[in-house]
Amino acid sequence: EEQLVESGGGLVQPGGSLGLSCAASGLTFGSYWMSWVRQAPGKGLEWVANIKPDGSDENYVDSVKGRFTISRDNAKNSLFLQMNSLRPEDTAVYFCARDLSGTLVHWGQGTLVTVSS
Amino acid sequence: AIRMTQSPSSFSASTGDRVTITCRASQGISHYLAWYQQKPGKAPKLLISFASTLQSGVPSRFSGSGSGTDFTLTITYLQSEDFATYFCQHYHSYPRTFGQGTKVEI
Repeated sequence: EEQLVESGGGLVQPGGSLGLSCAASGLTFGSYWMSWVRQAPGKGLEWVANIKPDGSDENYVDSVKGRFTISRDNAKNSLFLQMNSLRPEDTAVYFCARDLSGTLVHWGQGTLVTVSS
Repeated sequence: AIRMTQSPSSFSASTGDRVTITCRASQGISHYLAWYQQKPGKAPKLLISFASTLQSGVPSRFSGSGSGTDFTLTITYLQSEDFATYFCQHYHSYPRTFGQGTKVEI
């Protein structure tokens, strides 16, 4: 059974950094694009970034460009999101998802990131 | 960025109703449109891709249509487990964007 499990969320001060991880199992991880999507409390969904299977290509939403970096370790079946210069508006549940030609076919349960002083 | 606008934002319905949710793109996206269902405290679930392709395991009472800029998600004979929030998402170009969501309430 395919499973994605996010970790690394927590409380961080504005301007701080946080790294998220997503552990994948039950799928050939290295064959798929992977995405991060976030959802602010009580709000809608926002696609954040995705990464090519071999890690050679990445795409980001404008609001996180230059601050967030997506990466992966196919040997460890893991996806990462390094978040720097965090802002209160980055507060959200962050989901990782398997990205199949742009559709997000399987999602983790999410990890909450709170940016507050 | 392409803007996705859903309507209505929320509405009340009853089991057995036929429900239609619309999604409009700010520019043409061909058929690169997906629909997701999200229940409180849960991750979204993909229902439909390529505007009208039902995902495996999704009940046939769900259907999607449209191309270009105007799309619809239809639920025939609403069931209790269908009360949720529905989002559309385009994948025509970057950045991918979602509609603001439509909450279907009892």
